[in-house]
Amino acid sequence: RKEVEQDPGPFNVPEGATVAFNCTYSNSASQSFFWYRQDCRKEPKLLMSVYSSGNEDGRFTAQLNRASQYISLLIRDSKLSDSATYLCVVNTGNYQLIWGAGTKLIIKP
Amino acid sequence: EAQVTQNPRYLITVTGKKLTVTCSQNMNHEYMSWYRQDPGLGLRQIYYSMNVEVTDKGDVPEGYKVSRKEKRNFPLILESPSPNQTSLYFCASSFFSGGAGGELFFGEGSRLTVL
Repeated sequence: RKEVEQDPGPFNVPEGATVAFNCTYSNSASQSFFWYRQDCRKEPKLLMSVYSSGNEDGRFTAQLNRASQYISLLIRDSKLSDSATYLCVVNTGNYQLIWGAGTKLIIKP
Repeated sequence: EAQVTQNPRYLITVTGKKLTVTCSQNMNHEYMSWYRQDPGLGLRQIYYSMNVEVTDKGDVPEGYKVSRKEKRNFPLILESPSPNQTSLYFCASSFFSGGAGGELFFGEGSRLTVL
């Protein structure tokens, strides 16, 4: 089992719809969590950190479920520009970040 | 402009020909790291550095070397490249160790092909 798993997709979603995807992690001692966004053939960029209480940034909501060991990302009112690959990142401690392989999202007009 | 700069961006080389990929950041970050990205595998850490003269292995260090003689520079060295090192390489830096408390800033990537 991979340490961090994501559904690779692609998720094909019409513009304006709401889409959500999860990321599961295996190390119960994981300390912090992040979502990064990566456009095709470009570098990853931080989208948002994921806090225990959940957090929201505009149309994006991230949640953490420690009991079931997953984090989620919800995108409301999706835009064409949201098309990208979303990478889940887990800090397992010892200065190690474990990256998921990413979920590809395609927003269609 | 705050940035991480990698060079070269694209390189085709042959097996066994030593090469160096440079990485430089202008944000005075202590932490720097090299990753490789392959389809379906996600980012895998090659080496990281907590500060000048402090480096450590990541998950896939075999076949690579690094050095950190200055805070801003963290070159990746492939002494004898092999075809299985064909990949997309990213350098990243952060104020916080491992990006755990903050944001990782990435270079634009270096696409390496070893024939």
